[in-house]
Amino acid sequence: QKEVEQDPGPLSVPEGAIVSLNCTYSNSAFQYFMWYRQYSRKGPELLMYTYSSGNKEDGRFTAQVDKSSKYISLFIRDSQPSDSATYLCAMNSGGSNYKLTFGKGTLLTVNP
Amino acid sequence: EAGVTQFPSHSVIEKGQTVTLRCDPISGHDNLYWYRRVMGKEIKFLLHFVKESKQDESGMPNNRFLAERTGGTYSTLKVQPAELEDSGVYFCASSRGDSGNTIYFGEGSWLTVV
Repeated sequence: QKEVEQDPGPLSVPEGAIVSLNCTYSNSAFQYFMWYRQYSRKGPELLMYTYSSGNKEDGRFTAQVDKSSKYISLFIRDSQPSDSATYLCAMNSGGSNYKLTFGKGTLLTVNP
Repeated sequence: EAGVTQFPSHSVIEKGQTVTLRCDPISGHDNLYWYRRVMGKEIKFLLHFVKESKQDESGMPNNRFLAERTGGTYSTLKVQPAELEDSGVYFCASSRGDSGNTIYFGEGSWLTVV
């Protein structure tokens, strides 16, 4: 079993839709949960991170972590064509362990 | 502020040759990381420097890979000799000394071994 599972999609939605992206994980030591956005042939761009369980909002983006279920989500409101990219979840256990474990990424297309 | 920069952006080499990838982290970032994504797989950790010291090199695949960070500034990742399965994109990333959750990535160095 992989430590982090992420549905690779592809996911196609109309402009303005609410997008839900998610990952599951198996390592209960993970404490920090990140979402990265990666455009084609570019490097991963950090969108936001969340510590432990709870929600975090940044503009149109909301990250949720449910440690009891080992399940994390990223919601995108009012999706735009410019949101079309691959979204990667990543996580680490914090402390002195900064190593990130990534999901495979979900390819999202927002159609105008 | 300049981001993480990597060189070369693309490289095509023959099996058995040597390639050296370079990474310049964000200025002032003590932590420097190397990651790799091979075709169809997730991005995987290779190693982590804190300044010039290797903090964690558990992800290095074998002794054909050598990473250095002399002086605690830029880093190089050498693959010698390169094999076909080394093809992929190599990402460098960096973060501040006290931060393992705001890690910034470079654009990657795309390596093709033929």
